[in-house]
Amino acid sequence: GNSVTQMEGPVTLSEEAFLTINCTYTATGYPSLFWYVQYPGEGLQLLLKATKADDKGSNKGFEATYRKETTSFHLEKGSVQVSDSAVYFCALSDRVGAGNKLTFGGGTRVLVKP
Amino acid sequence: DAGVTQSPTHLIKTRGQQVTLRCSPKSGHDTVSWYQQALGQGPQFIFQYYEEEERQRGNFPDRFSGHQFPNYSSELNVNALLLGDSALYLCASSLWSVSGNTIYFGEGSWLTVV
Repeated sequence: GNSVTQMEGPVTLSEEAFLTINCTYTATGYPSLFWYVQYPGEGLQLLLKATKADDKGSNKGFEATYRKETTSFHLEKGSVQVSDSAVYFCALSDRVGAGNKLTFGGGTRVLVKP
Repeated sequence: DAGVTQSPTHLIKTRGQQVTLRCSPKSGHDTVSWYQQALGQGPQFIFQYYEEEERQRGNFPDRFSGHQFPNYSSELNVNALLLGDSALYLCASSLWSVSGNTIYFGEGSWLTVV
């Protein structure tokens, strides 16, 4: 079956540091890949997505590139802010189009200190 | 444009009781999925509804059931509650027929079983 593995947290950084969260996946076919963010006490917000190999998703300074050869979708941000403190989830959708179902990783908690 | 709305936001139930959670999808969306997120874990897919029928189901017992109404809103019902059912229940909406579509989440319903 499909699965997503992401690095365990917590990841603690200083403001303006570089952030990388590793994500690898196992899937049949050609899944779409997503990063969602969850702020304390809230639901999930889509951060970025990529629907095919070599696509780069980007939003709010975050980037991730769909690497089919390494089955990876690592999240990066060049300079984090305190407001980026949250839990980040990598996810895949195994059917592009009809009936998308998301498979999530376990989440990575990020804490950015001033 | 209203996003995905869920109710109630918090509730406490006793073991053995039944609970109903409600979801209104984002305007224009026709597909609703439900996820269970235990504390400190990633969301797990419960099931998905489209055209008032259950289209996909995750690895959850029959105690978990749902319904979709003609206006696309949905309910999640859980019978014979167990302590382990305590979790954040997330509703997600999307368009069935759009390739690589974006899946939007509500804020969730926090269920505590005592």
